[in-house]
Amino acid sequence: GQNIDQPTEMTATEGAIVQINCTYQTSGFNGLFWYQQHAGEAPTFLSYNVLDGLEEKGRFSSFLSRSKGYSYLLLKELQMKDSASYLCAVSDSNYQLIWGAGTKLIIKP
Amino acid sequence: GAVVSQHPSWVICKSGTSVKIECRSLDFQATTMFWYRQFPKQSLMLMATSNEGSKATYEQGVEKDKFLINHASLTLSTLTVTSAHPEDSSFYICSARVREVEQYFGPGTRLTVL
Repeated sequence: GQNIDQPTEMTATEGAIVQINCTYQTSGFNGLFWYQQHAGEAPTFLSYNVLDGLEEKGRFSSFLSRSKGYSYLLLKELQMKDSASYLCAVSDSNYQLIWGAGTKLIIKP
Repeated sequence: GAVVSQHPSWVICKSGTSVKIECRSLDFQATTMFWYRQFPKQSLMLMATSNEGSKATYEQGVEKDKFLINHASLTLSTLTVTSAHPEDSSFYICSARVREVEQYFGPGTRLTVL
């Protein structure tokens, strides 16, 4: 079966760095996405990785290792507004998104 | 970037009534749209895949006669929740696929059934 695993909840301090991991097992792979979702809102796109390596975009970076079925989202210089759920999703062989359950990130002052 | 709109943003209805939710791609054409449901503190659950001009493909456990999907044009898909009941209360989100891997989400519709 297809499976995406990510931690349920993480807590970090404002100004710090946090890494949210995601491991996956899917039938085929056409890329991995990270989305941010604030409570009561729809997900917003953060990043897309299809090749191995690190993609950096401002305070956010995303890493992919296809051989390990592993990705992480790295958030630097955390701000209170970064408190949200972060969803990992993999595009499978049919280009359908397989979703993780999401990681709720709590930022403390 | 591509913009997807949903209407209405929120709706409250009585049990037994039907509710229609519209999903529009505003500045692009989408041959494929997706409908998701999200209950509080849970992740997105794909309900169905909607392809323009053909019948929607429903995920296992989703009643196609209860959740009617119509994708009559390349910019509009509708989800009708028929004979809604309180357990149908949820956050419904659509997304539109531009190319194989690009999906853009609408802002969501919060449905409350009394």
